[in-house]
Amino acid sequence: DGGITQSPKYLFRKEGQNVTLSCEQNLNHDAMYWYRQDPGQGLRLIYYSQIVNDFQKGDIAEGYSVSREKKESFPLTVTSAQKNPTAFYLCASSPPRTTFTTSNYGYTFGSGTRLTVV
Amino acid sequence: ELKVEQNPLFLSMQEGKNYTIYCNYSTTSDRLYWYRQDPGKSLESLFVLLSNGAVKQEGRLMASLDTKARLSTLHITAAVHDLSATYFCAVGETSGSRLTFGEGTQLTVNP
Repeated sequence: DGGITQSPKYLFRKEGQNVTLSCEQNLNHDAMYWYRQDPGQGLRLIYYSQIVNDFQKGDIAEGYSVSREKKESFPLTVTSAQKNPTAFYLCASSPPRTTFTTSNYGYTFGSGTRLTVV
Repeated sequence: ELKVEQNPLFLSMQEGKNYTIYCNYSTTSDRLYWYRQDPGKSLESLFVLLSNGAVKQEGRLMASLDTKARLSTLHITAAVHDLSATYFCAVGETSGSRLTFGEGTQLTVNP
């Protein structure tokens, strides 16, 4: 079955350490996204990519980095520059918006990674 | 910059009652989504609304869209405990594929 796989489900980071969150999709979607969710809040966009080898900053990109070397994969690195990384991270993918219909919600979300600083 | 506001942010209601969650957005959009999130879980798609006057219903939930007022509503009919969750609306930008989310409405349905 097609879908998005995020790993790991739980991740612990020490002070000053970089960590990488994995996101893989087999939906043949062109676009992929990373969102951050803090407790009791909505989702905020970190980075997104609409095509391989290209990506754009979202609203809260500072302290994060991404790569998009393959269509299926969009890993997110949380660097030591991100001072408050504890949060729930969600990856999503979508086909080109020109193909959206009422029977195709367009966006598929992964199950999330919960990152905690220890 | 697209801004999305939901209200109320917290909603406690009794089983059997009706209520409405509102979602306002600041700039023109061609699509609006409603999602459900259970604690510690990912997002579950509920509805996508693509045109002015669109109405979608699934069970006790009904969503509508007024693009002129830049307003969507999620109406809950005869609430049951299983509907307790956080509900998000999300609005798509017209020039690309980004989604901007509202802050979410935490719904608690009490017996």
